[in-house]
Amino acid sequence: AQKITQTQPGMFVQEKEAVTLDCTYDTSDQSYGLFWYKQPSSGEMIFLIYQGSYDEQNATEGRYSLNFQKARKSANLVISASQLGDSAMYFCAMSDPPGYSSASKIIFGSGTRLSIRP
Amino acid sequence: NAGVTQTPKFRVLKTGQSMTLLCAQDMNHEYMYWYRQDPGMGLRLIHYSVGEGTTAKGEVPDGYNVSRLKKQNFLLGLESAAPSQTSVYFCASSYSNFAGWKFFGPGTRLTVL
Repeated sequence: AQKITQTQPGMFVQEKEAVTLDCTYDTSDQSYGLFWYKQPSSGEMIFLIYQGSYDEQNATEGRYSLNFQKARKSANLVISASQLGDSAMYFCAMSDPPGYSSASKIIFGSGTRLSIRP
Repeated sequence: NAGVTQTPKFRVLKTGQSMTLLCAQDMNHEYMYWYRQDPGMGLRLIHYSVGEGTTAKGEVPDGYNVSRLKKQNFLLGLESAAPSQTSVYFCASSYSNFAGWKFFGPGTRLTVL
């Protein structure tokens, strides 16, 4: 069975510093996707970044990058030059490939609450 | 292009009442999903659909029913609400592969007294 583990319930970081949010996963599938989402206090789920299991390059989206280490089964999110607006809950998630008559499903970790200090 | 929308945004029910949550998407996605999020936790899958007229159970389906009569709509029903169903409900839609997980609705906050 698939599993996502986020071991940092909360983190405090000084503004403008870089921050790494940890995520490890477990799966027996060869094809899968890894995602990070941001959930601000307003509650919506905002997609940040995606990494496919066969992608050799680490994914980047602006200030976000995903440090993908396949052998270690880790998919850490790196935020460069943190901003006050980055304060939010961050979820790591993993999708599996769709089956013959089943959908690709996504499972979530328990999240990390990031707080940026001015 | 509105993406994924959910109706209503907030609702308070009494134990035993029924209600239906509506999810709509305008991206012609085949797959649609209902998740719930409880305090301090990630999202858990309730039910999903791989196309019009199809539904399947997810991780926590008990106490919920779903229907997908039209491709763009996915309804989640609570026949007899219980306090344990107090949660935030998210709808999502995706393409038929494992890379398309970008589109979540804004969420519905449901309280059952």
